[in-house]
Amino acid sequence: EDQVTQSPEALRLQEGESSSLNCSYTVSGLRGLFWYRQDPGKGPEFLFTLYSAGEEKEKERLKATLTKKESFLHITAPKPEDSATYLCAVQAGYSSASKIIFGSGTRLSIRP
Amino acid sequence: DGGITQSPKYLFRKEGQNVTLSCEQNLNHDAMYWYRQDPGQGLRLIYYSQIVNDFQKGDIAEGYSVSREKKESFPLTVTSAQKNPTAFYLCASSMGAGTHPAFFGQGTRLTVV
Repeated sequence: EDQVTQSPEALRLQEGESSSLNCSYTVSGLRGLFWYRQDPGKGPEFLFTLYSAGEEKEKERLKATLTKKESFLHITAPKPEDSATYLCAVQAGYSSASKIIFGSGTRLSIRP
Repeated sequence: DGGITQSPKYLFRKEGQNVTLSCEQNLNHDAMYWYRQDPGQGLRLIYYSQIVNDFQKGDIAEGYSVSREKKESFPLTVTSAQKNPTAFYLCASSMGAGTHPAFFGQGTRLTVV
């Protein structure tokens, strides 16, 4: 069964304390892996797409990496405004109706 | 500015009542989606549409209905058959079939009273 698991569920960091969020997946035929940021009471905001193992993408303090089994979202020297829930999603299969499966998210809190 | 507009932001439904959530996009995207988000769970797909006048059931379509009469609009009706409708509903769009949902609306929080 296709599955996406994010860990930890919640993470509290001090401002400037770097860390990583994990997204592990079990799907047949990975087409793409996506990271989103979601603020409380708002819709998700798209961050990155990764297509193949070894690929990396960066945006400000965030860097996403991908292996054959998992993806990491590394956050370097975070600031309080980076506090949000980070969602991972995987697209499996190559048909026009390929499924997108979301993880349950990691709630990140950065203390000043 | 291009984007997705969902309305209303908050909605209260009485038992046995049908309610309709609005979703409008001005991104000229072909594909539109409705997701449901519950605490501690990932987004779950209710319905999606890849083209006008066509839509497909997602993983949890029971108790919901949609229409796609215009490219810009994809309203979701939560019917009285949906026994646990209290949730956060998100509309999304993407350029076309097989692409990932790139833009989301700000959501509608539905509560049964």
